[in-house]
Amino acid sequence: EVQLQESGPGLVKPSQSLSLTCSVTGYSITSNYWGWIRKFPGNKMEWMGYISYSGSTSYNPSLKSRISITRDTSKNQFFLQLNSVTTEDTATYYCARYYGSFDYWGQGVMVTVSS
Amino acid sequence: DIQMTQSPASLSASLGETVTIECLASEDIYSNLAWYQQKPGKSPQLLIYDASSLQDGVPSRFSGSESGTQYSLEINSLQSEDAATYFCQQHHDYPFTFGSGTKLEIK
Repeated sequence: EVQLQESGPGLVKPSQSLSLTCSVTGYSITSNYWGWIRKFPGNKMEWMGYISYSGSTSYNPSLKSRISITRDTSKNQFFLQLNSVTTEDTATYYCARYYGSFDYWGQGVMVTVSS
Repeated sequence: DIQMTQSPASLSASLGETVTIECLASEDIYSNLAWYQQKPGKSPQLLIYDASSLQDGVPSRFSGSESGTQYSLEINSLQSEDAATYFCQQHHDYPFTFGSGTKLEIK
């Protein structure tokens, strides 16, 4: 069974970088696409980007140059880095497999941006 | 960006009833739409993909349909476990975008 699990700090200071890890079991990240989605307080959902089976990436233009998604195939993990965070980046962050739609999700990690 | 206008924002229905949730796309998305269910404290679960295909393991009381740029999720014979927030999401064009969500309460 495909399982995803996010990990990372729950509190980040403004202007710093947010770094999260998604550990995948039951399926190789060298197949399909692997994405990050966040849900803001108040329910709005935002697709942030994904990394493909080949390592290519696609990002939401709203995040401009702040976002980077990378991977470590030896550990079957992929990563999110979001730079220069503000309080507007406070959200629950999910990793998910994209296979035409997002069919497997992690449990989510709540990240608060606050000094 | 493609805008997904979802309605209603909330609704309340009784056990056994049928409800419909809608998403209107700002342009043609060619059936590239998914529906998700999210319960409090849980991650979203895929219900419907490609507008009308039922994800494995999802009860058949859930169904999806489309008419032009209007997409609908119908839930028949409401059960107590259907209380959740439902989202639509288009994957026709980047950036992928979501509807604003519909909170379903079971009376």
